[in-house]
Amino acid sequence: DAKTTQPNSMESNEEEPVHLPCNHSTISGTDYIHWYRQLPSQGPEYVIHGLTSNVNNRMASLAIAEDRKSSTLILHRATLRDAAVYYCILTYSGYALNFGKGTSLLVTP
Amino acid sequence: KAGVTQTPRYLIKTRGQQVTLSCSPISGHRSVSWYQQTPGQGLQFLFEYFSETQRNKGNFPGRFSGRQFSNSRSEMNVSTLELGDSALYLCASKVQSTNEKLFFGSGTQLSVL
Repeated sequence: DAKTTQPNSMESNEEEPVHLPCNHSTISGTDYIHWYRQLPSQGPEYVIHGLTSNVNNRMASLAIAEDRKSSTLILHRATLRDAAVYYCILTYSGYALNFGKGTSLLVTP
Repeated sequence: KAGVTQTPRYLIKTRGQQVTLSCSPISGHRSVSWYQQTPGQGLQFLFEYFSETQRNKGNFPGRFSGRQFSNSRSEMNVSTLELGDSALYLCASKVQSTNEKLFFGSGTQLSVL
């Protein structure tokens, strides 16, 4: 199964933009790129997903490289409530693969 | 609309016992998937059920099994518990099997002593 690679942790200041990278060099043409985040003591929650084009929603933006081998989740203005573990995963036909350990985002005031 | 409900929230078992966890998906959702989360391995896929049939399975031993009922509710069973089975077990649901977003429950924290 196609795998993703994310940094273990990142840090950001409150109200600044955050760019969370994800590498997926073995992605196939039918894999969608999904992002989820997990707050302490909660299950993961959906953030955004896309196939080829950049995507925006009220939570974040997803920038996908032209060759699709990497993507970046962009939080435009980080808040303390954005401190969470962020997972980048690939899905094929809706089949969600392993999430791995994700990136732990620390937001400091 | 109620979210994904998992019961029980916490569970303590001893080695060799078996355990059954329950998951009620969001109304109208027909796909239910299960995940195991541990500090060492992260969040790993166990299996997915759709319309009472197992569609996909992760790389876990046969001690881990599941089923889905006609009302889409799902149960997961682990037999002959081992210490390493201590984990947070998460259930997620979605409407069908296409590339939709998953809705997760809060999980069942299983401790094996």
